Parts: sequence; C-alpha cells; structure tokens
Amino acid sequence: EPEVTQTPSHQVTQMGQEVILRCVPISNHLYFYWYRQILGQKVEFLVSFYNNEISEKSEIFDDQFSVERPDGSNFTLKIRSTKLEDSAMYFCASKIQAGGETQYFGPGTRLLVL
Amino acid sequence: AQTVTQSQPEMSVQEAETVTLSCTYDTSESNYYLFWYKQPPSRQMILVIRQEAYKQQNATENRFSVNFQKAAKSFSLKISDSQLGDTAMYFCAFMSLSGGYQKVTFGTGTKLQVIP
Repeated sequence: EPEVTQTPSHQVTQMGQEVILRCVPISNHLYFYWYRQILGQKVEFLVSFYNNEISEKSEIFDDQFSVERPDGSNFTLKIRSTKLEDSAMYFCASKIQAGGETQYFGPGTRLLVL
Repeated sequence: AQTVTQSQPEMSVQEAETVTLSCTYDTSESNYYLFWYKQPPSRQMILVIRQEAYKQQNATENRFSVNFQKAAKSFSLKISDSQLGDTAMYFCAFMSLSGGYQKVTFGTGTKLQVIP
C-alpha cells in the first residue's frame, strides 16, 4: 500500500541553523500539508500546498518557514534560522483531491534544536 | 473556526474489555469529516476510522466503531476487545469540506493504556 515517507526520522541542529525536512507524498496525490506537534501538545496545522503554491498557512508559519516541491516527488519544509521552540515532531500529509478525502500522514521527523 | 475537545486526557482498560473515548467539536458548517487517529509510542499518525457528516450510519472498522451524534456535535470512539497494541494516544480530528484545501484540526488527545 502506498504511503507517505519522511526523511530524516530524527534531526538535531544548533539554534540559528537552517534545516530542511523532506517528504515524499503518495504519488498521485495533489494536496500537501505540514503539521507540527510539540512534545505533549496537540498536532497543529502549519501549511497547505496545492498547484505549486501555498493555499493556506497558519500564524505559526512565519517568514522563517518555507515550503516547496522542487521536483515531481519531494515536498520540503525549510526552517531558515531555527529557534529552541521549533523543537517538535513535524508531520507531512497528502491527499488525492479536493473534497472529503482522507489525509494520509507520514511517520514524522523529530526535530531537536539545541 | 472549528474546535475539537477531548475531555479525557488519560484512560485505561483491561485487555479484552471495551472502552469509549469521547470527543466533541464545534462548527457552524454542515459538511465535514471526522476522524480518529492513533499515535503509538513511535509517534506515527495512523488513521483509525473516518465518519462523513452526511451519513447517519455510524462508521465501523473491525473492533473500532464510532457513535456520531451530529446534533450534539459528539463523536466518540469505541474500541471492543481491547488489545495491548491499542495502547497509544488517540486524537479526534475535524476536517471541513468548504474550500478546497481542508486542513485537519486536532483535539488534544486521549492517552489510552491497555492493561494485561
């Protein structure tokens, strides 16, 4: 069964460094998402992406964050200058179309900023 | 804006018994989906069950079933014949069907412990 994959599974970085989190959505999916879960808290929406542009973003998704789909398969989340509070689990999700389709989540990348 | 509330931070159940996890939500919309996701210690998000708001029949998926009360905005998850592998965090989630992009809004989660 197709699944969303994410790399790396764990990332440790120093405050102020740039990180890129990678996701490979399910191949025929058209809508892509990033969510964040700070340890012990609920999962929060960051951004949605469709047709090579951001369709919606939350207040968390400030200028330090960016997303892109550099080729036909990868979907990346970049944090330009990491802060301690960026430490979290980052989930990528994708779905096939608009309408009531389920979003399928990847296994997550655990980011630790020191 | 939609909100999802899970009032039970933690629950426990004996193996083979039945447990019900509660969820309420608030929305002014009529077309939406509701989900229960499971997050085991590995922290991967796994879809357990989905309910379309326009369907009156409660969704079932093997040992998992929901009690969807649209008027009351309630969406509880029942796990029958609980197994040790059911130990996980369970998140109730809401997705509006208005607009094209449909982000998912999550509740705060219920930590379920299945006791042998």
